[in-house]
This record gives sequence, C-alpha cells and structure tokens, in this order.
Amino acid sequence: DAKTTQPPSMDCAEGRAANLPCNHSTISGNEYVYWYRQIHSQGPQYIIHGLKNNETNEMASLIITEDRKSSTLILPHATLRDTAVYYCIVRVAGYSTLTFGKGTMLLVSP
Amino acid sequence: EPEVTQTPSHQVTQMGQEVILRCVPISNHLYFYWYRQILGQKVEFLVSFYNNEISEKSEIFDDQFSVERPDGSNFTLKIRSTKLEDSAMYFCASSEALGIKGYTFGSGTRLTVV
Repeated sequence: DAKTTQPPSMDCAEGRAANLPCNHSTISGNEYVYWYRQIHSQGPQYIIHGLKNNETNEMASLIITEDRKSSTLILPHATLRDTAVYYCIVRVAGYSTLTFGKGTMLLVSP
Repeated sequence: EPEVTQTPSHQVTQMGQEVILRCVPISNHLYFYWYRQILGQKVEFLVSFYNNEISEKSEIFDDQFSVERPDGSNFTLKIRSTKLEDSAMYFCASSEALGIKGYTFGSGTRLTVV
C-alpha cells in the first residue's frame, strides 16, 4: 500500500496557485518524495522530487516540512491543462518500484 | 523532449489469445518498466528490467507475463492466454539509472480482452 495520504480532490481557479498537500508521516531517512501527475488516463508524468530541502523547477515547487512528515506541491499559476490526478509517492533511492496511491484529483476551473 | 513510444495505442483481443505490447524507451535509458492501470483503479507496478534481465517483479507478474528486449531499441510485454481481467491500460516507462531521477512514461496501450 501507498505510504502517503492525500485529499481525494481539490479545486483551484485558473491563474491562482494550487497547493496540494501530502502526508507521509512514516517516511524513512533514505526515502525521497516524488510527485507525478496523470492527465485523463495518459501515462503518469514526473513533476518533481525532493529529500529534505525545498525544490523548484519549471513545473512546480515542492515544500517539505522540517520533520519530513508532510509536503506540499505548489503549482504557482494553475491553468486548465493542469487538471489531473496528482500522486505523491515516497521511494527509496536506488529502488525501482513506484507505488501509486489514489492521488488528488485537481480540477482547475475558469 | 525525448519520449517513450508505445504501440499499439489500443488492442482488442479475444480471451485466451496471446498479445505483445511494444515500447521504445528513450535511447540512453538503461532501466525499463511496465505498469498497468485497470479502469478506475490505481497504477500498479508489474516489472522492472535491466541488463537484459528482470530486476524486480510484482505478484501480478506471474507466469502469464514475460518481458523481452529483442533488439537495442524495443522492449516488449507478452501476455499469454489473456483473461478478461487483463483488460487495462499498460504503461511502459524508462529511466537513465536506478537513482533518484524520475521515470518517463509512455502514453500507454489500452488492452481490451473480449
């Protein structure tokens, strides 16, 4: 089973920031936090990952709490094309399996 | 941007038939994976493949399934004697290394067993 807890759904207005939370209270010291998204039954798309520091790339920012028990994915200016299921996954570096949970269905509305 | 290519996009087969799903991973990637997603359910890991052999597999990946890298570019998933419950989206993925980088997934093959 997935080691993360996410809300089943969230709404966001187009142009606003979308903040998607994830709880991973049992995360181990050698586990990274990954975020993927899946747009309408397409293949999952890698977004970002982090270990303990906050990370930013061209798609999103990842904020990890100091105790590493939770994180937030931030899409700074959500667009309609960001409507998707977002998955938060913890994974040991060097281990191949990604264990997907149910994720958060983000609906971006005009 | 490099892509993982899967063919066909949709395959319909009769129960009991064999199917081969094809994938072309990104050219400099060394690790290859198959995942599946039954309609309305979670994405599930099937198998990982490195250096011409299976490195990990899930309980789903039983003797009905096999994988192969028949040449330098293709990676295939064979399902023998398909069952109705094999109907799902099958996603291929690849990664440069077994490290911390994310995978690149293909757009999937929708398998329908009738």
